[in-house]
Amino acid sequence: DVQMTQSPSSLSASVGDRVTITCRASQTVINYLNWYQQKPGQAPELLIYSASSLQSGVPSRFSGAGSGTDFTLTISSLQPEDFATYYCQQGYHTPFTFGPGTKVDMK
Amino acid sequence: QLQVVQTGGGVVQAGGSLRLSCEASGFAFSRYGFHWVRQAPGKGLEWLSIISYDGTKEYYADSVKGRFTVSRDNSKRTVYLQMNRLGVEDTAVYFCARNVGAVSAALVGWIDTWGQGTLVIVSS
Repeated sequence: DVQMTQSPSSLSASVGDRVTITCRASQTVINYLNWYQQKPGQAPELLIYSASSLQSGVPSRFSGAGSGTDFTLTISSLQPEDFATYYCQQGYHTPFTFGPGTKVDMK
Repeated sequence: QLQVVQTGGGVVQAGGSLRLSCEASGFAFSRYGFHWVRQAPGKGLEWLSIISYDGTKEYYADSVKGRFTVSRDNSKRTVYLQMNRLGVEDTAVYFCARNVGAVSAALVGWIDTWGQGTLVIVSS
């Protein structure tokens, strides 16, 4: 199975900060790497698919990059509604594993 | 309006069975695969299973293989997760979610629409 790791596991940031989260796969997933945002008590929401494609309706301050095994999610200017937990997921090899998550909270 | 509505869930004793349902509307149901994902209390997301658009392909995580079975009825626009031999470790919120294939009908891809989630509690 493909193991997914994320760093950091949590971070504290302020509104307006640039935030970058890293995701690493234990073997290549080509560019089939997706990012989701989840707020407490809610279902996750797709932010980025295929490593760098912005899902319709998602603000352009979110961006993704990477290929192979190393990927990043960047929030260019953190907004109050962005405090949440972020998960990467590989969509290439079954089982389609998720990373452990990165919690972004307010500094 | 694209919608995925889940039913089922509840409290079951360890060793018991439960079936979750996921009914979709607002899109061409029979063209999409569906995932099941769960989240134990205070934990992260765990991918469980996927079924192809036509029901001919199924894949499972090791944690549920042999105990859980995914199926679908395209005439009812519904996906099911039959869960047998449940243990306390299966206590979680279960999500049904639509797969978007990178190419038509492929399972490789991403999840773009999630159900609201349904809570399953397995008591000892």
